[in-house]
Amino acid sequence: DSGVTQTPKHLITATGQRVTLRCSPRSGDLSVYWYQQSLDQGLQFLIQYYNGEERAKGNILERFSAQQFPDLHSELNLSSLELGDSALYFCASSVASSARTDTQYFGPGTRLTVL
Amino acid sequence: GQNIDQPTEMTATEGAIVQINCTYQTSGFNGLFWYQQHAGEAPTFLSYNVLDGLEEKGRFSSFLSRSKGYSYLLLKELQMKDSASYLCAVRASGGSYIPTFGRGTSLIVHP
Repeated sequence: DSGVTQTPKHLITATGQRVTLRCSPRSGDLSVYWYQQSLDQGLQFLIQYYNGEERAKGNILERFSAQQFPDLHSELNLSSLELGDSALYFCASSVASSARTDTQYFGPGTRLTVL
Repeated sequence: GQNIDQPTEMTATEGAIVQINCTYQTSGFNGLFWYQQHAGEAPTFLSYNVLDGLEEKGRFSSFLSRSKGYSYLLLKELQMKDSASYLCAVRASGGSYIPTFGRGTSLIVHP
């Protein structure tokens, strides 16, 4: 158990809908990262927040957005869902923003199925 | 950008030793991670190398050669539970320090 929690574990929804995924980082970690993992793409970095502020952006679609709240939990919002958005979504956390030895610890993931 | 290469799949026998290779090309280097991921589960951290050489941690060891852009993960005394995907991730220097993940090597351990 990494100490990172994610809810829900599974989510099934229809195309065109909007969903929110939630993540709580390990105690003491200020950075939260979101990743998407699909069978044909591997683990793709979406976005990073550090202490409430966006710090880095990866391959995140305009239909997707995220935020980190004052209590450091984070939410990833996915809208206008398409079949291709079906994937595992992982949240990871780490202590710092960009320390050279910073290690990411991953939550259990949310499996999103878009029908 | 970064380019990370790992074999897609490997098989090995319980009790044996297996070496999973990772080659990378990156503009600037600031560390290499290995993660283990069982199907449908979270990646779990195994090791971090930033200097050349071998780091040993129980049955798992990780090696790095920065000049060759090469790393390997060595698993000894293989157990059935070691059947998983092994992800190599490289952190470039500068910028956000966020590691880029390879596609992973699926290891199948059979009796």
